[in-house]
Amino acid sequence: AQTVTQSQPEMSVQEAETVTLSCTYDTSESNYYLFWYKQPPSRQMILVIRQEAYKQQNATENRFSVNFQKAAKSFSLKISDSQLGDTAMYFCAFERGSNFGNEKLTFGTGTRLTIIP
Amino acid sequence: DAGVTQSPTHLIKTRGQQVTLRCSPKSGHDTVSWYQQALGQGPQFIFQYYEEEERQRGNFPDRFSGHQFPNYSSELNVNALLLGDSALYLCASSSGLALAPEGNEQFFGPGTRLTVL
Repeated sequence: AQTVTQSQPEMSVQEAETVTLSCTYDTSESNYYLFWYKQPPSRQMILVIRQEAYKQQNATENRFSVNFQKAAKSFSLKISDSQLGDTAMYFCAFERGSNFGNEKLTFGTGTRLTIIP
Repeated sequence: DAGVTQSPTHLIKTRGQQVTLRCSPKSGHDTVSWYQQALGQGPQFIFQYYEEEERQRGNFPDRFSGHQFPNYSSELNVNALLLGDSALYLCASSSGLALAPEGNEQFFGPGTRLTVL
């Protein structure tokens, strides 16, 4: 079974600053995907960024980037030039790789991020 | 292009009652997964439907059952409601094709907030 741990229940940062959210996971799988999802107060879960375990290069999406340390089973999210709209719950999630469709997502407990004006 | 839709938005039930939640997947998607998100927690996988069959199931009792229709929409049924069933129920859709253009991304709906009194 897979486990995902987010050890920072809450974080806050000034607007325009950089913040890093931590995530560790445990698995015996060799083929898997890691995700960061954002859940604003509107409740809609939105994909922020994804990382394929077989790729050594860290994923980036505009102001969002990850630091994927496979050996350490660590997957942190860096948000640069933070904006008020980044205020939300952030969930780290794991999905086992499959040749057919999607497997279940295993989520961490989340980090509540507040961007201060 | 409509995304994932869920109904109703909110629901209040009493202990012992039964409830049905509905989900319409994103256009072109054929796989629907259901998650339960208790307050302050990450979502927990309930089950997944593909081609009208339950393909995967999480650690939830038989009181939780589902159905998928030929148009790929899905229902989640919960019988004999308990206070602990109060949660946000999320539906996620994806393509069963591993090589679909969107890869393995799962798209989430806005959720149904269930309160059991």
